[in-house]
Amino acid sequence: EVQLVESGGVVVQPGGSLRLSCAASGFTFDDYTMHWVRQAPGKGLEWVSLISWDGGSTYYADSVKGRFTISRDNSKNSLYLQMNSLRTEDTALYYCAKDLKIIGVAGLDYWGQGTLVTVSS
Amino acid sequence: AIRMTQSPSSFSASTGDRVTITCRASQGISSYLAWYQQKPGKAPKLLIYAASTLQSGVPSRFSGSGSGTDFTLTISCLQSEDFATYYCQQYYSYPPLTFGGGTKVEIK
Repeated sequence: EVQLVESGGVVVQPGGSLRLSCAASGFTFDDYTMHWVRQAPGKGLEWVSLISWDGGSTYYADSVKGRFTISRDNSKNSLYLQMNSLRTEDTALYYCAKDLKIIGVAGLDYWGQGTLVTVSS
Repeated sequence: AIRMTQSPSSFSASTGDRVTITCRASQGISSYLAWYQQKPGKAPKLLIYAASTLQSGVPSRFSGSGSGTDFTLTISCLQSEDFATYYCQQYYSYPPLTFGGGTKVEIK
């Protein structure tokens, strides 16, 4: 059974930093592109970032580029999101999600339960 | 960035109804489109990818169609468990991957 379990969400002050983690199990983690997607309270889905199977390619939404860094450790079946210079508008539930495709990008077929990041003074 | 526009943003329907949700892309995306269902307090669930391919385990009352800029998600016979918010998402061009604003299906 595929499982994705996020952690690391807390309340942080504007300008602060945070690292989210996602522990993956039940599939060959290093075969798949992985994503972070966020959802502000009461709002829709916003894609944040993706990383290729080997970590060699990373992409970001303009809203987080230069502040967030996605990474993965295939030896630990783990995905990370380093979040710096946090803003109030980064407040959201952050989901880790697995891509459907082994190479490339398609739909996101498995999602974690999300971890809540609140940026507030 | 490719903009995805869903319509309507919400509507009410009854169990047994046939319902259709529309998603329009701001430029052609071939068939690089996915549909998701999200229930309150839950993570999104992939329903359809490649515009019309049903994800494993998804009931056959769900179907998707379209290519280029115009797409539809149809639920042939609405069930109680289908009341939820639905999102489309393009993966033709990234970054960014982009989602539609969502369509909330409520009970009439």
